[in-house]
Amino acid sequence: AQSVTQLDSQVPVFEEAPVELRCNYSSSVSVYLFWYVQYPNQGLQLLLKYLSGSTLVKGINGFEAEFNKSQTSFHLRKPSVHISDTAEYFCAVSVGGTALIFGKGTTLSVSS
Amino acid sequence: EAGVTQFPSHSVIEKGQTVTLRCDPISGHDNLYWYRRVMGKEIKFLLHFVKESKQDESGMPNNRFLAERTGGTYSTLKVQPAELEDSGVYFCASSQVTGGYGYTFGSGTRLTVV
Repeated sequence: AQSVTQLDSQVPVFEEAPVELRCNYSSSVSVYLFWYVQYPNQGLQLLLKYLSGSTLVKGINGFEAEFNKSQTSFHLRKPSVHISDTAEYFCAVSVGGTALIFGKGTTLSVSS
Repeated sequence: EAGVTQFPSHSVIEKGQTVTLRCDPISGHDNLYWYRRVMGKEIKFLLHFVKESKQDESGMPNNRFLAERTGGTYSTLKVQPAELEDSGVYFCASSQVTGGYGYTFGSGTRLTVV
């Protein structure tokens, strides 16, 4: 069965610092990979997705993620964060079906 | 384009009562999904409609949960009778294509059973 592990439940950083949110998955077959963000009192918004092709995926708001098949990872990065990036971030996988399998989420807290 | 609309945004009910959550997908989206996040846990898949048909309901926790999508438009998720462990945030999503991508999520309904 597929599973997703987000290695950090909380990540506190200062404004303008770089950040990496880690995600590992387990699957014996090819997967689609996603990062979603949930800002306070809002729904889930797609940040970026990997379906195939280039392993470096660029998303909205300056985020990017790299698919590493050998390490079964899909870490999310941003070189310089803003206060407005404070939110909960979810890594998810799909095995070609319709259901998304989510990690438990990582709360990113950006302070000045 | 209007997004996925869910209501109510919050609901507080007593154990044993009935609650109905509603989801209005994006117009033209045949695929509609329900997910749930119980406090401190992962967001978990509940079920998937294609138009008015249930394509996959493998995530429905038990027979106290009933989902419908009459006419292939909006969907309702009824919990009857509600239990304390049903508390959480219920998300709806819709998509034009089937395949686990291209979802648009609603803002969710926060259900609290007391």
